[in-house]
Amino acid sequence: KAGVTQTPRYLIKTRGQQVTLSCSPISGHRSVSWYQQTPGQGLQFLFEYFSETQRNKGNFPGRFSGRQFSNSRSEMNVSTLELGDSALYLCASSLQPNTEAFFGQGTRLTVV
Amino acid sequence: GQQLNQSPQSMFIQEGEDVSMNCTSSSIFNTWLWYKQDPGEGPVLLIALYKAGELTSNGRLTAQFGITRKDSFLNISASIPSDVGIYFCAGRLSGAGSYQLTFGKGTKLSVIP
Repeated sequence: KAGVTQTPRYLIKTRGQQVTLSCSPISGHRSVSWYQQTPGQGLQFLFEYFSETQRNKGNFPGRFSGRQFSNSRSEMNVSTLELGDSALYLCASSLQPNTEAFFGQGTRLTVV
Repeated sequence: GQQLNQSPQSMFIQEGEDVSMNCTSSSIFNTWLWYKQDPGEGPVLLIALYKAGELTSNGRLTAQFGITRKDSFLNISASIPSDVGIYFCAGRLSGAGSYQLTFGKGTKLSVIP
């Protein structure tokens, strides 16, 4: 059974650009959450989706957005990139929102 | 918002020793999860706990969900070099339509052969 797949693994962008990250959850999982990991702040919650609906959003500016498709795949978008957006972005999938969360390998975003 | 205090921040131990780390919360959680993360990789789920007082093992790892629902600990017995990594606790406060995880800052484990 394939795990959570995140693409791309690595990304380098310039300040002001926008970026889209993709997450394919484990087959059959309908819940997807996104987290930002930085050395200073640790793992911070971004969004939570279940059945194409955003259930909750973390304390991030509106430049951060996401969506979930009918096949449970999810994307997150960051517009007008800032240097501080450099981080490891992690996606987690769960069968149901309140069950175990399994993480992908993450997308390492570097903003220069 | 919820705060998770994870301790210790780092540990240096000899191979073969037992390890203990814990997390405490200012809020009551319904779920505790323990993860291990290697450099450049995503966190890997080690143990999931769903009931207060629950004690669960996974090989040499044992974790417990505190009775107050505000704490959890993880023990690793007879440590080996591949136990090196960062261990995270995560709590979930289910309700109000949100199931987000709140993470501790991690415990960095180093094992000296």
